[in-house]
Amino acid sequence: DAKTTQPPSMDCAEGRAANLPCNHSTISGNEYVYWYRQIHSQGPQYIIHGLKNNETNEMASLIITEDRKSSTLILPHATLRDTAVYYCIVRVWTPRAAGNKLTFGGGTRVLVKP
Amino acid sequence: DTEVTQTPKHLVMGMTNKKSLKCEQHMGHRAMYWYKQKAKKPPELMFVYSYEKLSINESVPSRFSPECPNSSLLNLHLHALQPEDSALYLCASSQKRGQGFTTNEKLFFGSGTQLSVL
Repeated sequence: DAKTTQPPSMDCAEGRAANLPCNHSTISGNEYVYWYRQIHSQGPQYIIHGLKNNETNEMASLIITEDRKSSTLILPHATLRDTAVYYCIVRVWTPRAAGNKLTFGGGTRVLVKP
Repeated sequence: DTEVTQTPKHLVMGMTNKKSLKCEQHMGHRAMYWYKQKAKKPPELMFVYSYEKLSINESVPSRFSPECPNSSLLNLHLHALQPEDSALYLCASSQKRGQGFTTNEKLFFGSGTQLSVL
């Protein structure tokens, strides 16, 4: 699976959009981009994933560049409860994989401030 | 019910003790996972079970022994651990249809067991 690079930390203001970048310059054509987050004292929580097209759900939006070498997770209106470590993960889809082997990188520690 | 329940939440054990961690889900998921997470580090995959059979072992030392007695339950048996094994142990599950894993198989994680080995 391709390696990802994320800034170690970032702050954002409550009520504003939070834009979390992720670099995956070695991504290959069949690799998906996943985002999970981990709030303190909890297990990771799935946010969103995509392959080529931009994706949106009730939690966030995922913008993937045309060359797929980077992506941005957007939290449209950050709240204090969005304070967490956000992980960008690239994973290849193999139909006969033995397991959904998610490999977590360093992540970005996001602090939402009032 | 979209919960993965892990017990106990905290565990302190000596290096000669034998203990077990338990994980339970009732979402009908047929894949279950154990991850280990050291403080301020990302989770690291240990084991994957698929249809109650061990499918991935990430070269984990034999002092960690996983068990999947049925489709809802996953155990991690601990014996002769070292202080460096102190960590948060996370269980996860995902729905699995047929062979292989699809892109929509999101992992649902429990809150973990915080283990301290003295």
